[in-house]
Amino acid sequence: AQTVTQSQPEMSVQEAETVTLSCTYDTSESNYYLFWYKQPPSRQMILVIRQEAYKQQNATENRFSVNFQKAAKSFSLKISDSQLGDTAMYFCAFMKGETSGSRLTFGEGTQLTVNP
Amino acid sequence: KAGVTQTPRYLIKTRGQQVTLSCSPISGHRSVSWYQQTPGQGLQFLFEYFSETQRNKGNFPGRFSGRQFSNSRSEMNVSTLELGDSALYLCASSLGNDRYEQYFGPGTRLTVT
Repeated sequence: AQTVTQSQPEMSVQEAETVTLSCTYDTSESNYYLFWYKQPPSRQMILVIRQEAYKQQNATENRFSVNFQKAAKSFSLKISDSQLGDTAMYFCAFMKGETSGSRLTFGEGTQLTVNP
Repeated sequence: KAGVTQTPRYLIKTRGQQVTLSCSPISGHRSVSWYQQTPGQGLQFLFEYFSETQRNKGNFPGRFSGRQFSNSRSEMNVSTLELGDSALYLCASSLGNDRYEQYFGPGTRLTVT
């Protein structure tokens, strides 16, 4: 079974600064995907960024980037130029390779607050 | 393209009753997954349907069931409701083949009294 661990229950950052959220996972799979989702107070779960395990290059989506360390089973999210709208709960999630279907295993979440 | 829709958004039921929640995926998406979110247990996978067949199942009792229709819309049913079933139920859809990203609906907030 896969496990995902987010060791930071809460974090805060000043507007326009950079913050990094940590995530570690445990799996014996070789083919898998990793995701970061954000859940603002509206509770709508929004996909932020994804990473295929077979890709060595770290994924980037505008102000969001990841540091994927496959050997260490680490998948951190960096948010640059933080904005007030980034305030949300952030979940790290794992999915086995697509032949296993779509099943996400989530971490406990990190509540990020961006302060003005 | 319209997003994932879930109905109803809020629901209050009494212990022992049953409830049916509905999810309409993004047009063209064939996979629908259901998750339960509670403060104590976090986000937990219930089941996934793909082309009207259950493809994956989480560790929930048989009171939790689901189905998918030919238009990919999905329903989940919870029978004999317990207080612990109070949760936010999230539905997510994906293309289901080689595109695996899941897109979530706004959720249904179920309260069991």
